Amino acid sequence: DGGITQSPKYLFRKEGQNVTLSCEQNLNHDAMYWYRQDPGQGLRLIYYSQIVNDFQKGDIAEGYSVSREKKESFPLTVTSAQKNPTAFYLCASSIEGGTGDTQYFGPGTRLTVL
Amino acid sequence: AQSVTQLDSQVPVFEEAPVELRCNYSSSVSVYLFWYVQYPNQGLQLLLKYLSGSTLVKGINGFEAEFNKSQTSFHLRKPSVHISDTAEYFCAVTGGSNYKLTFGKGTLLTVNP
Repeated sequence: DGGITQSPKYLFRKEGQNVTLSCEQNLNHDAMYWYRQDPGQGLRLIYYSQIVNDFQKGDIAEGYSVSREKKESFPLTVTSAQKNPTAFYLCASSIEGGTGDTQYFGPGTRLTVL
Repeated sequence: AQSVTQLDSQVPVFEEAPVELRCNYSSSVSVYLFWYVQYPNQGLQLLLKYLSGSTLVKGINGFEAEFNKSQTSFHLRKPSVHISDTAEYFCAVTGGSNYKLTFGKGTLLTVNP
């Protein structure tokens, strides 16, 4: 089955530690996205990538970093500089990243900072 | 810049009743509009989208939405809801050269027996 996988489903981190969230897709999509979801806030874009080896900051990129070395993978690192990292993180992909493209979402990773 | 306002943060209804979830948008360019559904602790699933053509769009699970350009609205409707429709619903907009999706804050639909 084609789709997007995110791992782990739940992640716990101590303050001051970096942590990497995995996102893999086998849909052969060019574009991939990372969103953060907080209760009552909707989804906010962290980073997006329309092609391998290229990515752009979204609306809330501070304290996060990404890489796009392979078409199917777009890992997100939450660094110690992110002041309030506890949230639900969603990865998505779309065919080309063009206007009107449907974004398909993974199941999410819930990060809790202890 | 684009923005989306979902007018109700929570909508409680009884099973088999009709429901309307309201969405208004703001944009200076032509828009594409989406409705997504999120079940607890899961990702988002596309319900329907409007790109062009007929302003009445039909989606999955019996939902439909109507694009109203003059009122800048894209309200989601279902004539008879089921318990299984209990979820959070998000309206989103993109358009022009801006291919980033802008989401509303969501509406929690709770269907009671």
